[in-house]
Amino acid sequence: NAGVTQTPKFQVLKTGQSMTLQCAQDMNHNSMYWYRQDPGMGLRLIYYSASEGTTDKGEVPNGYNVSRLNKREFSLRLESAAPSQTSVYFCASSQTGNSPLHFGNGTRLTVT
Amino acid sequence: SQQGEEDPQALSIQEGENATMNCSYKTSINNLQWYRQNSGRGLVHLILIRSNEREKHSGRLRVTLDTSKKSSSLLITASRAADTASYFCATDAFGSGTYKYIFGTGTRLKVLA
Repeated sequence: NAGVTQTPKFQVLKTGQSMTLQCAQDMNHNSMYWYRQDPGMGLRLIYYSASEGTTDKGEVPNGYNVSRLNKREFSLRLESAAPSQTSVYFCASSQTGNSPLHFGNGTRLTVT
Repeated sequence: SQQGEEDPQALSIQEGENATMNCSYKTSINNLQWYRQNSGRGLVHLILIRSNEREKHSGRLRVTLDTSKKSSSLLITASRAADTASYFCATDAFGSGTYKYIFGTGTRLKVLA
């Protein structure tokens, strides 16, 4: 049982490049989330999907787009990467909105 | 802005001592959760406490919730070196219709052997 799987684990981009971070969960959870973690800032919510077919903005959505491809997969896209997007990105899922979150191990992104 | 703020930011104790960390939040909640993060890893869920609960236990962990003061505390008893990690509280936004969990900035706990 893999839980929440994020790919890639590490990525280096040049300013202006685009990329998609992938997230998949095998727990049949309804809700999925994308967070970024910066030193001293804790985790900040980028986007979330309460259920398949819906997505909503979190605290820091600017510069990102998301797709809830199906119940298992929730991807995060950076259309034009900026150095300010250098961070560790975590995907999480939960059975419902009122239950514990299960996290992946993160994607470390550096934008130069 | 952060919904939850943990206090203290860092805590260093000897093995066997108790560790207490606090979380304050700004708006009404449905529930509050505590998570642990070991260095370089994803967060692991510890305890969920609902707004109508005042105290919850799980092994060596004890969580209290005071909705009148908009605060929660996490107590780890008889700490071990393996408890060294960062601890975060997360709160949802009551009445939003969806559960958008917002995390605090965390408490870094170091347990010295």
